[in-house]
Amino acid sequence: QPVLTQSSSASASLGSSVKLTCTLSSGHSSYIIAWHQQQPGKAPRYLMKLEGSGSYNKGSGVPDRFSGSSSGADRYLTISNLQSEDEADYYCETWDSNTWVFGGGTKLTVL
Amino acid sequence: QVQLQESGPGLVKPSQTLSLTCTVSGGSISSGSYYWSWIRQPAGKGLEWIGRIYTSGSTNYNPSLKSRVTISVDTSKNQFSLKLSSVTAADTAVYYCARDGTPGYWGQGTLVTVSS
Repeated sequence: QPVLTQSSSASASLGSSVKLTCTLSSGHSSYIIAWHQQQPGKAPRYLMKLEGSGSYNKGSGVPDRFSGSSSGADRYLTISNLQSEDEADYYCETWDSNTWVFGGGTKLTVL
Repeated sequence: QVQLQESGPGLVKPSQTLSLTCTVSGGSISSGSYYWSWIRQPAGKGLEWIGRIYTSGSTNYNPSLKSRVTISVDTSKNQFSLKLSSVTAADTAVYYCARDGTPGYWGQGTLVTVSS
């Protein structure tokens, strides 16, 4: 089954941009993933589905500041013009015929 | 807009069975081709997938929990359910139900504490 690897933490300044990475395990580089945001004390929220081609589909209400891209086994979530409300945990997720798999999550701090 | 809402006891005794229900509104649970999942999150930790049920009724479970988990669906009530047997303190967590697809949807979560 696929394994997803994320950095445990990231930080960036208010108004700047940050690029979070999710890496698919060997043999799974073509997999589609999804990104989810979890603000403190809240349930996760679906952000987007991201393909290996870099094409992505965002959920309703997700700001234009959020975008996705891909390179090989790496899937990226870029947040531009960082706002204080973007401080959250970000999880990537993928699936195959038998399982759902989550990455360990990246805690984003907005300075 | 699809909405999911978890319900069930907030406190379960060790060795007993945890039972939760997810009620789906804004769409039929039996329409489309979707997986309906249960996920949990212990305090301060990441998300752990428990298992899922397909629109057709077929199920998949996390291998680490498979021997204790049953997920079922009641299309007449637009609900799906989780049963986790022989619980211990390690099963204390916020439990979420969710639907895959584009977009995906999450419930608000419910805290289940395992304690005597």
